Amino acid sequence: EIVMTQSPAILSVSPGERATLSCRASQNVTSNLAWYQQKPGQAPRLLIYATSIRAAGIPASFSGSGSGTEFTLTISSLQSEHFAVYYCQQYNYLQTFGQGTKLEIK
Amino acid sequence: QAQLVESGGGLVKAGESLRLSCAASGFTFSDHYMSWIRQAPGKGLKWVSYISTSGSAIFYADSVKGRFTISRDNAKNSLYLQMNSLRAEDTAIYYCARGGSYEDVWGQGTTVTVSS
Repeated sequence: EIVMTQSPAILSVSPGERATLSCRASQNVTSNLAWYQQKPGQAPRLLIYATSIRAAGIPASFSGSGSGTEFTLTISSLQSEHFAVYYCQQYNYLQTFGQGTKLEIK
Repeated sequence: QAQLVESGGGLVKAGESLRLSCAASGFTFSDHYMSWIRQAPGKGLKWVSYISTSGSAIFYADSVKGRFTISRDNAKNSLYLQMNSLRAEDTAIYYCARGGSYEDVWGQGTTVTVSS
């Protein structure tokens, strides 16, 4: 099984600042990496797939980068609606999710 | 717009069975792989299973292999998950989602609670 490790577990950032979330794969997943946002009581929402392609309706404030085993989700100029839990997911071999990063208001 | 609605969750005892259903609308169901993903209380997301458009290709997580069966009825725009020999650790919200790699449409989930 490919293990996905996200860091940090909790990220405290002030509104208006930039947030950088990291995701590491235990083996090469090429560019088969997605990011999801989940708010309390809601289903996850796809943000990014294929490492850097924004899903339909996702604003340009979200961007993804990386390849192989190291990936990053960047959220520029944080707004209140951005504070949530974020998961990375590899789909190079079956699917596995990271444990999540909680983005909270500083 | 594309919508998925799960049903069939509930409270069962360890060792019992449950069948989840997912009704799809707003898109051509038969064109898409479909997945089940679960989330234990207060925990992260765990992929459970996915099925190809025709049902000819099916994959399971090791934790459910041999106990869970995914299926679909394209004529009814429906996805199913038959869960047998349920364990306490199967307690979770079960999401139906469109896709077999990344998932771009999710239902709101149905809650399964297994008491030991």
